[in-house]
Amino acid sequence: KAGVTQTPRYLIKTRGQQVTLSCSPISGHRSVSWYQQTPGQGLQFLFEYFSETQRNKGNFPGRFSGRQFSNSRSEMNVSTLELGDSALYLCASSLEGLAGTGELFFGEGSRLTVL
Amino acid sequence: GQSLEQPSEVTAVEGAIVQINCTYQTSGFYGLSWYQQHDGGAPTFLSYNALDGLEETGRFSSFLSRSDSYGYLLLQELQMKDSASYFCAVSHTGGFKTIFGAGTRLFVKA
Repeated sequence: KAGVTQTPRYLIKTRGQQVTLSCSPISGHRSVSWYQQTPGQGLQFLFEYFSETQRNKGNFPGRFSGRQFSNSRSEMNVSTLELGDSALYLCASSLEGLAGTGELFFGEGSRLTVL
Repeated sequence: GQSLEQPSEVTAVEGAIVQINCTYQTSGFYGLSWYQQHDGGAPTFLSYNALDGLEETGRFSSFLSRSDSYGYLLLQELQMKDSASYFCAVSHTGGFKTIFGAGTRLFVKA
């Protein structure tokens, strides 16, 4: 069974540009969550999608957005990039994403560097 | 709001036992999870507690006290490969989100 796949793995952008990251969850998983990871900050919750609906959103500016497609694949977009957006962006999938399952399956992440 | 606190670093000797504590403040608590992340790798699930008590999985055990908003991860018979970052995480009822702590960096020395 294939794991969570994120693309691209690495990318470099300049301030002001925008970026789109992609996540393919484990087959059968309908919930996809996105996290931003920076050194010393742990994993900061961005948003969670289930059946193409955003069910929850973290405390990030509107420049961060996402969507989920009918096949459960998800994308997140960051517009007007800032230096502080440099981070590892992690996608995690789970069967239903409901509280109580506990287990999230993470991809290897997309490492974004903003110059 | 929600917050989790765990030590930033812990150092232990190979073969020893180490405990990583986690305290949390949140509304709508449902369960506490633990994840391991090696440098350059993805976080991987270790354990989950929804009820008070101890859950054991091989060399790893996790404990939860809901009344104290406290949990810990216990690693026994430490091995060099256990050197990694460990995150506690809280799942929320009806919130469809899991919130992570800042992580504890574990260094295992020979």
